[in-house]
Amino acid sequence: GNSVTQMEGPVTLSEEAFLTINCTYTATGYPSLFWYVQYPGEGLQLLLKATKADDKGSNKGFEATYRKETISFHLEKGSVQVSDSAVYFCALRQQGGSEKLVFGKGTKLTVNP
Amino acid sequence: NAGVTQTPKFRVLKTGQSMTLLCAQDMNHEYMYWYRQDPGMGLRLIHYSVGEGTTAKGEVPDGYNVSRLKKQNFLLGLESAAPSQTSVYFCASRYQGVGTEAFFGQGTRLTVV
Repeated sequence: GNSVTQMEGPVTLSEEAFLTINCTYTATGYPSLFWYVQYPGEGLQLLLKATKADDKGSNKGFEATYRKETISFHLEKGSVQVSDSAVYFCALRQQGGSEKLVFGKGTKLTVNP
Repeated sequence: NAGVTQTPKFRVLKTGQSMTLLCAQDMNHEYMYWYRQDPGMGLRLIHYSVGEGTTAKGEVPDGYNVSRLKKQNFLLGLESAAPSQTSVYFCASRYQGVGTEAFFGQGTRLTVV
């Protein structure tokens, strides 16, 4: 079945450091790929998405590129801020069929001043 | 502009008691989902619905029932609560379509003692 594997956390960085959170997936066909973010005490909210191979999703300085050849959707940001501290979830949704949204286990990011 | 509203936000149950969690969305979304979030496990899908009057099982459906009698509401029931159901429960909804964003509620923290 479909699955998402993302790097284990927690990740601790200093402000202005470069961030990469790895995400790989298993799916048939061409799923849509997402990154969601969860701030403390809140629900998840969409950070960015990509719906086909080679698409780049971007938002708030974060980017991720849908790589079909490496079945990956790694999240990157060039300079993190304290306000980026949160839990980040990679997710996929297979088009057609059950339309279920499948999540990775999440990566907790802490950014120190 | 309420979005997705979950009721209640917190609850403590005794083993064997029953309860219903309510999810309401005001965006006229077709799809609705119930997830549970546990430490180190990410989000796991319990049940979902692709339209009014329809429901389907997700990854971890045992011990839960759902109903979607109205398009805007998705109810999650626990008939006989167990300590293993202690978790944070999230509801989400979205429009039908490729790459559509899922909107999440704020979560319900349930403790079964």
